Amino acid sequence: SQTIHQWPATLVQPVGSPLSLECTVEGTSNPNLYWYRQAAGRGLQLLFYSVGIGQISSEVPQNLSASRPQDRQFILSSKKLLLSDSGFYLCAWSAGELFFGEGSRLTVL
Amino acid sequence: RKEVEQDPGPFNVPEGATVAFNCTYSNSASQSFFWYRQDCRKEPKLLMSVYSSGNEDGRFTAQLNRASQYISLLIRDSKLSDSATYLCVVRSGTYKYIFGTGTRLKVLA
Repeated sequence: SQTIHQWPATLVQPVGSPLSLECTVEGTSNPNLYWYRQAAGRGLQLLFYSVGIGQISSEVPQNLSASRPQDRQFILSSKKLLLSDSGFYLCAWSAGELFFGEGSRLTVL
Repeated sequence: RKEVEQDPGPFNVPEGATVAFNCTYSNSASQSFFWYRQDCRKEPKLLMSVYSSGNEDGRFTAQLNRASQYISLLIRDSKLSDSATYLCVVRSGTYKYIFGTGTRLKVLA
């Protein structure tokens, strides 16, 4: 069966520091992968999606970037975090429906 | 107008009650529809897909009305464990999943 994992689960970072969140999927090949962000009390906002290695589509302009170095690995990064980057980051893969990882809760201070 | 709209609630209902949520969407070309459940500080989990003919899974019934562009979720015999936020999701395009902001349900003893 397919599983999706992301880490770290929780992190607290100072403004201006870098960020790296990782996501891996097991049990499927060439999945469509997504990064979403959920700000406190708000809906899920699509940040990036990828249909294959090295193929990244960005949905909103921001200081975040994504990379897909391997078929089942999706990474979300930032060189310098802003206060507004705080939120709950969710990685997902799709097979018709979306299936989410456990989420990474980021607090930028 | 938001692409997907839900009443944020909260809906406070006693155990055993029947409760219904509606969700409206703006893109008439939307292709697939889903209900997700999200517990506090957790990732969303698929509750059920919504088919044109309507579908039922135990105490849960989902319906789609394409003419009026809304989907609904009916929960019968509410349990305390049903307390959560219910997210309406609409897929418009192969990779574009649009989330509503969710409806909070509290089932009271």
